[in-house]
Amino acid sequence: NAGVTQTPKFRILKIGQSMTLQCTQDMNHNYMYWYRQDPGMGLKLIYYSVGAGITDKGEVPNGYNVSRSTTEDFPLRLELAAPSQTSVYFCASSLQGESTDTQYFGPGTRLTVL
Amino acid sequence: AQKITQTQPGMFVQEKEAVTLDCTYDTSDPSYGLFWYKQPSSGEMIFLIYQGSYDQQNATEGRYSLNFQKARKSANLVISASQLGDSAMYFCAMRALNAGNMLTFGGGTRLMVKP
Repeated sequence: NAGVTQTPKFRILKIGQSMTLQCTQDMNHNYMYWYRQDPGMGLKLIYYSVGAGITDKGEVPNGYNVSRSTTEDFPLRLELAAPSQTSVYFCASSLQGESTDTQYFGPGTRLTVL
Repeated sequence: AQKITQTQPGMFVQEKEAVTLDCTYDTSDPSYGLFWYKQPSSGEMIFLIYQGSYDQQNATEGRYSLNFQKARKSANLVISASQLGDSAMYFCAMRALNAGNMLTFGGGTRLMVKP
């Protein structure tokens, strides 16, 4: 069972470079999310999507962009990487956006910006 | 705004003993869900247990149970018969309707199980 998959697992970027973090889910979930986790901290929501073609900002969206062209994929784009974006990035999905719905997480991408 | 507080940065427990991880929350929404996730050293987030605000009984999943005290706004995780593999970070999280059903996380508790 694949669930939520993320690529790459690790990446080192130089300041000012750009990259796309990939996320795919095979559970036919409507909702997808991107979080970042800074060392020793909980997760913070960057962006989320309620379905193909619909995205919205979370708590910490600055410096990131997303798109959702299909139900399965929800890539996160970093433009002009900065050291403050060094973090672990998690993608998650849930069937719906109800308060009762469990979010299932991918394995994470560890990003370092030097 | 909703908020999750985990006041125990780190805890030790002896193998085979029970341990309680504290979580308090703040929301004005009558409809919300409370979740616990485990994050082992490998980094993935593993869903453990869920409690709905309207659920009458405390949730249980195997060795995990959630001590839900609605009036005190607490949702403590109880792990019975601790195992070495329980050593990990544990995060409490909440979703509430008035916050767009977005998941808000606490700062986590690092649990270390001693042999």
